[in-house]
Amino acid sequence: AQSVTQLGSHVSVSEGALVLLRCNYSSSVPPYLFWYVQYPNQGLQLLLKYTSAATLVKGINGFEAEFKKSETSFHLTKPSAHMSDAAEYFCAVSGGSNYKLTFGKGTLLTVNP
Amino acid sequence: DGGITQSPKYLFRKEGQNVTLSCEQNLNHDAMYWYRQDPGQGLRLIYYSQIVNDFQKGDIAEGYSVSREKKESFPLTVTSAQKNPTAFYLCASSIGAGGNQPQHFGDGTRLSIL
Repeated sequence: AQSVTQLGSHVSVSEGALVLLRCNYSSSVPPYLFWYVQYPNQGLQLLLKYTSAATLVKGINGFEAEFKKSETSFHLTKPSAHMSDAAEYFCAVSGGSNYKLTFGKGTLLTVNP
Repeated sequence: DGGITQSPKYLFRKEGQNVTLSCEQNLNHDAMYWYRQDPGQGLRLIYYSQIVNDFQKGDIAEGYSVSREKKESFPLTVTSAQKNPTAFYLCASSIGAGGNQPQHFGDGTRLSIL
């Protein structure tokens, strides 16, 4: 069984501030972890993925995430927020050969000027 | 450019009517998926298909049906048995069905009830 918890359904930051979006997972097998971004009325776009290589994963648009097994976490960060980062972000987990991708409920990021 | 095309972007259904949502991909991916998205609930898996002529139910398959006659196409029918069909529907594909394969998404179809 696998599950994802995203802490905070809505996060608001100022432009130029640090972005931190939290994701905790549970998985009965070594996990594969993903972050996706969704802009209004669009599909999901892959930001980055962890597939058991380096624990610090760099993605597109300046985002990165660190896999911490001891904390079962995969938080998403960006040093300096930009207005164009405003969107909904989803963390997802799968495991082993299991096709199933389990999504968190999403975090809406607002960036204030 | 390769990608996933969903059509139509907006769809309206009358009571008692079946409607079909189209999903076509030119990524040469073997696996395809249908998700339903409701506000604040994330994405829930309706059906998935690992190869042509084979598909499996996901977590919320009741009231939905699919077919996979061609590798490129995975249409979803929302039947009259689905009592609460209003939602945003997303189609996705991946190279294979292994857990380490990221899924690529279309731009979705928004279904509403008249």
